[in-house]
Amino acid sequence: DAKTTQPNSMESNEEEPVHLPCNHSTISGTDYIHWYRQLPSQGPEYVIHGLTSNVNNRMASLAIAEDRKSSTLILHRATLRDAAVYYCILSDAGNNRKLIWGLGTSLAVNP
Amino acid sequence: GAVVSQHPSRVICKSGTSVKIECRSLDFQATTMFWYRQFPKQSLMLMATSNEGSKATYEQGVEKDKFLINHASLTLSTLTVTSAHPEDSSFYICSASSRQGGTDTQYFGPGTRLTVL
Repeated sequence: DAKTTQPNSMESNEEEPVHLPCNHSTISGTDYIHWYRQLPSQGPEYVIHGLTSNVNNRMASLAIAEDRKSSTLILHRATLRDAAVYYCILSDAGNNRKLIWGLGTSLAVNP
Repeated sequence: GAVVSQHPSRVICKSGTSVKIECRSLDFQATTMFWYRQFPKQSLMLMATSNEGSKATYEQGVEKDKFLINHASLTLSTLTVTSAHPEDSSFYICSASSRQGGTDTQYFGPGTRLTVL
């Protein structure tokens, strides 16, 4: 399974944009890039996913490098409720639906 | 949409007893559900993949006779921890898979905190 590398922790200020990086240099052509986040004592929450093109939704934007070896999750205006652990995960679009979870990035948001 | 519920949210039991955890997809049908376990300050660890109407596929090192999984319908999967011991105390999380945007996206339940005394 292709692996991802994320910084252990990041810090942001409230109402400022946050860019969370993820490296996935061994990504294959059929791997989708998924982002989830998890608040303490809760189940993970789906944020966004993409394959090649940049993606936008209500929660965030996903910028995917042209060579697909890295991606960035963008929170346009951080709020205190965005403080969580953010996971970047690759998933094969084929029959393997398993998600392999790393340690993610713990995001702290300062008021 | 894509809401997954779990019941109970917390359970405390005595060593040697069995505990059943339910996972339901409320507004979509899920042919595949997953069960995870998470210890404090660690990431999620996949325990098993549950397919509706067939036997679950367990990850290496997970005892299938201890963690019984039943996926009898497209909206319900259950995990039974049999003869629970204190080392089974953990945060158990289920997810249900939904096809969207060309791939399967997992939606997670809120988790069940199991404490075995």
